[in-house]
Amino acid sequence: AQSVTQLDSQVPVFEEAPVELRCNYSSSVSVYLFWYVQYPNQGLQLLLKYLSGSTLVESINGFEAEFNKSQTSFHLRKPSVHISDTAEYFCAVSEAPKTSYDKVIFGPGTSLSVIP
Amino acid sequence: DTGVSQDPRHKITKRGQNVTFRCDPISEHNRLYWYRQTLGQGPEFLTYFQNEAQLEKSRLLSDRFSAERPKGSFSTLEIQRTEQGDSAMYLCASSIEDRITEAFFGQGTRLTVV
Repeated sequence: AQSVTQLDSQVPVFEEAPVELRCNYSSSVSVYLFWYVQYPNQGLQLLLKYLSGSTLVESINGFEAEFNKSQTSFHLRKPSVHISDTAEYFCAVSEAPKTSYDKVIFGPGTSLSVIP
Repeated sequence: DTGVSQDPRHKITKRGQNVTFRCDPISEHNRLYWYRQTLGQGPEFLTYFQNEAQLEKSRLLSDRFSAERPKGSFSTLEIQRTEQGDSAMYLCASSIEDRITEAFFGQGTRLTVV
């Protein structure tokens, strides 16, 4: 069975500073990895995903995450955050190659607060 | 709005009452999922449908919970004899079967049982 750990429950960071949200997973099989974002009073949105190929994946709004198989990590980074990045971020894992959604396991989430 | 919509957005109910939530998926999506999210936790899978067929149910879905998708379009989630532990955000998501890694989530229904 897969599991996801997000060690930081809250991360405050000043505007325009860099940020890293940590995610580690455990699995006995190959995995797909995801980051979801949940803005206040909104639903979950897929931010980026790793399925195969390049271990560095990017989102359209400047976030990137790198799959590190040896360290079983998928940390999310952004070089310069904006106020609008304030949200809850969830790391998620599922079994590859079959990504049946019922097998997607979410982490507990990290609350990112960007301080003006 | 062509996204996933859920109704109501908020529901407060007394313990022991029955509640029903509705989810309208994106129209061309044949898969529909229900998740539950409690405070400080990530979403937990409850059940999912492919068209009108309920393909899998989590052990979290006790016999007080029932979900339907009668015509393969909207879905309902009913909780009978609500308990305080049922208080949570109930999320619905939908996807096209072969693009299951890109499910879209609704805004959720927040249930408070008093």
